[in-house]
Amino acid sequence: EPEVTQTPSHQVTQMGQEVILRCVPISNHLYFYWYRQILGQKVEFLVSFYNNEISEKSEIFDDQFSVERPDGSNFTLKIRSTKLEDSAMYFCASRPDRSSPLHFGNGTRLTVT
Amino acid sequence: QKEVEQNSGPLSVPEGAIASLNCTYSDRVSQSFFWYRQYSGKSPELIMSIYSNGDKEDGRFTAQLNKASQYVSLLIRDSQPSDSATYLCAVNKGNNFNKFYFGSGTKLNVKP
Repeated sequence: EPEVTQTPSHQVTQMGQEVILRCVPISNHLYFYWYRQILGQKVEFLVSFYNNEISEKSEIFDDQFSVERPDGSNFTLKIRSTKLEDSAMYFCASRPDRSSPLHFGNGTRLTVT
Repeated sequence: QKEVEQNSGPLSVPEGAIASLNCTYSDRVSQSFFWYRQYSGKSPELIMSIYSNGDKEDGRFTAQLNKASQYVSLLIRDSQPSDSATYLCAVNKGNNFNKFYFGSGTKLNVKP
């Protein structure tokens, strides 16, 4: 069964550094999402992406965040200058159409020291 | 008011019992409803989708939707210790499909 693939599984970075989290959505999916989950808390929406542009973003998704689909297969989340509070599990998800459920990747655990 | 509300639990049931998980949502135009299971440290895993009023059964799982009362529930029959996890209710609005809202989850403990 096709899967959403995320790399790396764990990323440790120092405060102020830039990080790029990578995702390969399922190939025939058209809608792409990033969520984050701080340890012990709920799954929070960050951004949705469709037709090569951001469809919606949350208040969390400020100017420090950006997303890109550079080559038709990868979908990346960049954090320009990481803060301690960015430490969380980041999940990429995709779906083929607007009413289908989301399919999640295994997540990237980001630790900012 | 939160978009999706769930009792955080924990909900404890003995092995073999029925576990009942509930969820309410705030926006009447919501169209699509989902239950996910999340084990600690893992990603959410889809259990059920439900789109119309009534019951939908899949194996030991039954999802129930009541749009008039704006609630969704999940019944797990013959609960097993391996069902112990956090169950997330998710709602997709009809007029804003870009956002897919999750509840905070209900932690289920199934005791052997």
